[in-house]
Amino acid sequence: GAGVSQSPRYKVAKRGQDVALRCDPISGHVSLFWYQQALGQGPEFLTYFQNEAQLDKSGLPSDRFFAERPEGSVSTLKIQRTQQEDSAVYLCASSLTTGMVGNEQFFGPGTRLTVL
Amino acid sequence: AQRVTQPEKLLSVFKGAPVELKCNYSYSGSPELFWYVQYSRQRLQLLLRHISRESIKGFTADLNKGETSFHLKKPFAQEEDSAMYYCALLSGYSTLTFGKGTMLLVSP
Repeated sequence: GAGVSQSPRYKVAKRGQDVALRCDPISGHVSLFWYQQALGQGPEFLTYFQNEAQLDKSGLPSDRFFAERPEGSVSTLKIQRTQQEDSAVYLCASSLTTGMVGNEQFFGPGTRLTVL
Repeated sequence: AQRVTQPEKLLSVFKGAPVELKCNYSYSGSPELFWYVQYSRQRLQLLLRHISRESIKGFTADLNKGETSFHLKKPFAQEEDSAMYYCALLSGYSTLTFGKGTMLLVSP
């Protein structure tokens, strides 16, 4: 079946460039999450959407990071003026709902961003 | 603030040996804990969650609130268990806090 998809799978950017990473969640999933995974680390939370509402963006590391989900489905994570420390795998996850039931997060394959 | 600690970066065992992957957490609320697994070249996927009290692929994990632990165990490791394992804690709306992960390597 169709899982969470992300594009591009790999992105190389020169320092200072803007990048946009796309996430297609599982159809019907209300919740969508972005995580950043640096080399040798576990995923770290960036931001969370419930439908089109961004309910938590406390994990975004700087104001260069911006995420949107305008129609409550596809989401885009944008990084402006990329820096070398932004190099990481960016994971998207979706879940049917939140709370104690139906909150299993299904992960996409990730986008590996390398900033030169 | 919540925190998840996985003290071992790498755990190497022989096939058939018992396995215990350690996970300790710090959280002021009532914890909901998960183990996620990532096999080579595959995406992160849920292995088990403490609420369901299931045994998946022979793995079990018991939540010990007194020791704030959620160790993952399997009595007899198989080569196909070789993977990266992440312990995760649910907090807030549905935010997962992950540990740094433990690589399990099962040798024949």
